[in-house]
Amino acid sequence: GAGVSQTPSNKVTEKGKYVELRCDPISGHTALYWYRQSLGQGPEFLIYFQGTGAADDSGLPNDRFFAVRPEGSVSTLKIQRTERGDSAVYLCASSQLAGVYNEQFFGPGTRLTVL
Amino acid sequence: ILNVEQSPQSLHVQEGDSTNFTCSFPSSNFYALHWYRWETAKSPEALFVMTLNGDEKKKGRISATLNTKEGYSYLYIKGSQPEDSATYLCASYSGAGSYQLTFGKGTKLSVIP
Repeated sequence: GAGVSQTPSNKVTEKGKYVELRCDPISGHTALYWYRQSLGQGPEFLIYFQGTGAADDSGLPNDRFFAVRPEGSVSTLKIQRTERGDSAVYLCASSQLAGVYNEQFFGPGTRLTVL
Repeated sequence: ILNVEQSPQSLHVQEGDSTNFTCSFPSSNFYALHWYRWETAKSPEALFVMTLNGDEKKKGRISATLNTKEGYSYLYIKGSQPEDSATYLCASYSGAGSYQLTFGKGTKLSVIP
């Protein structure tokens, strides 16, 4: 079956603009995670969903960031009023269930560049 | 907040050499440690999920060990090949009901033919 997919693969935008990043998880996976990797850093947790609800959004850096998963499958990460510091690779992962022993399957990421 | 450290930051080895690198994590409230391999322009690929002290797991030429009492894990690659060139990431769970992974910065391995 298909793995996790993310679109677009690259996004270049101007400071102050709004962007949406999309994640299609593996079919049947109930848990979905968003991470962000800035240059020289490891991936940093942003938010995870169990089904349609955000179970932990403690990693979202501020209220410009928001994510949804309305039908418990596809998720969209939304960033308002983008800033240059938002430039990073945004990774999405899914797992069959949320749990410390469950392998998370990652997509290839969306590289966001804010000019 | 967990602090996960990896060393070295980068590594160059000749084809055929064996190599290893380290992941350090807090030993208290340990739940699980994950190793991933991330090749350029591809998705991070899960290698191992390690949970028990003394665990040793193997996948082909790659193996990993876990010491939860002292808070470290080693990843070994035997007879490195150019296709092993990638960034190797380890990640631990924060615990306390959260399922977020905390990643180290990774070890970038380059295997020279």
